Amino acid sequence: DVVMTQSPLSLPVTLGQAASISCRSSQSLVHSDGNTFLTWFQQRPGQSPRLLIHKVSNRGSGVPDRFSGSGSGTDFTLKISRVEAEDVGVYYCMQSTKWPPTFGQGTKLEIK
Amino acid sequence: EVQMVASGGDLVQPGGSLRLSCAASGFTFTDYWMIWVRQVPGKGLEWVSNMDRDGSDKYYVASVRGRFTISRDNAKSSLYLEMNNLRAEDTAVYYCARGVNRWTDYWGQGTLVTVSS
Repeated sequence: DVVMTQSPLSLPVTLGQAASISCRSSQSLVHSDGNTFLTWFQQRPGQSPRLLIHKVSNRGSGVPDRFSGSGSGTDFTLKISRVEAEDVGVYYCMQSTKWPPTFGQGTKLEIK
Repeated sequence: EVQMVASGGDLVQPGGSLRLSCAASGFTFTDYWMIWVRQVPGKGLEWVSNMDRDGSDKYYVASVRGRFTISRDNAKSSLYLEMNNLRAEDTAVYYCARGVNRWTDYWGQGTLVTVSS
């Protein structure tokens, strides 16, 4: 299975400051059809995961534009341009280029 | 509004069985493949099983293959997970999720399965 490694695992951020989460895969996530199936989810405390970004850089429905995704091959990044209080939670990357889909360990974002 | 309500979680003894259900609403169920994902409380996420739109294609993660069975009733817009020979390591919150292309876009609220004597 593809191993997804996130860093950092804990991310204290000041309100209004930028935040960045890294996700690295053990294999290239480029599919034979040319797409890269790398997804980011947000899980707020006590809630189910919510889609933020799919196919590396495409925001899900209703996701604020302060969230952005980038990367290629095996190296990906989620950036939050200006952290707000509602962004507290755990962020997961997931690859679904190769089956089974696998998740990173999660990065816990908290407000300093 | 898209909604998926999972139910059926309970405390069960090792070796026991349980059937989880997921009732979907707010979208055309037959347009989507469906997934079960689990999360050990306080831990990460694990893909458990998925089924395509008409039920002809199914996938199970190795740790549950032969013990769990995924199914769906398109007439009732419902997804199921039959779990047999449960083990302590199956203890988790089980989420149903909607699949689009090769990712998931909506997740239900989860139901807790606890396997313990």
